[in-house]
Amino acid sequence: SSKLTQDPAVSVALGQTVRITCQGDSLRSFFASWYQQKPGQAPVLVISGKNNRPSGIPDRFSGSNSGNTASLTITGAQAEDEAEYYCNSRDSIANLRVVFGGGTKLTVL
Amino acid sequence: QAQLVESGGGVVQPGRSLRLSCAASGFTFSGYAMHWVRQAPGKGLEWVAIISHDGSNKDYADSVKGRFTISRDNSKNTLHMEMKSLRAEDTAMYYCAKDRRDILTGYYDDWGQGTLVTVSS
Repeated sequence: SSKLTQDPAVSVALGQTVRITCQGDSLRSFFASWYQQKPGQAPVLVISGKNNRPSGIPDRFSGSNSGNTASLTITGAQAEDEAEYYCNSRDSIANLRVVFGGGTKLTVL
Repeated sequence: QAQLVESGGGVVQPGRSLRLSCAASGFTFSGYAMHWVRQAPGKGLEWVAIISHDGSNKDYADSVKGRFTISRDNSKNTLHMEMKSLRAEDTAMYYCAKDRRDILTGYYDDWGQGTLVTVSS
């Protein structure tokens, strides 16, 4: 199966910009999607495809892609953005499978 | 608004079986692929299984293949996961998730709140 790699932890000062990255060969074939998960809650989709935000997700969240890397950028991070963030994509090896990254814990200082 | 409600979790001994269900409402269930995703305590998300909109295509993570079976009843708007030969490492919160289309995209617009499975003697 494919593998997606994320940095385990990232921090950002309140109001500043932070980029969370996700690397893997499957991203050369498929777009990633990004999920925010707060403690005790189910994940919530924040970005999918090229750079699509579901309704209700603030426009400070954006996504980008280059080669084997997908990025989630939060422009002007807020305290409520502190959470775990996961990327995923279709598996480029196994046709019907999905792979998740290990997650990035975002701390807003 | 889509709603997904999981049930069937609990404490089970190693080697035993358990059946999870996910009741769907607020959307045309038969029009979407569905997935199970799990999360072990303190760990990340792990994709478990997919079933296409009509049940004709299924696949599983290597960690559960041969032990877990995903199924759906479109007449009852319900997704199931039959889990056999359970192991301690299957202990996790199990989420059902709705795909964006009838086939795999990997974009999960909606998730249930999860049902906790604990495998312990």
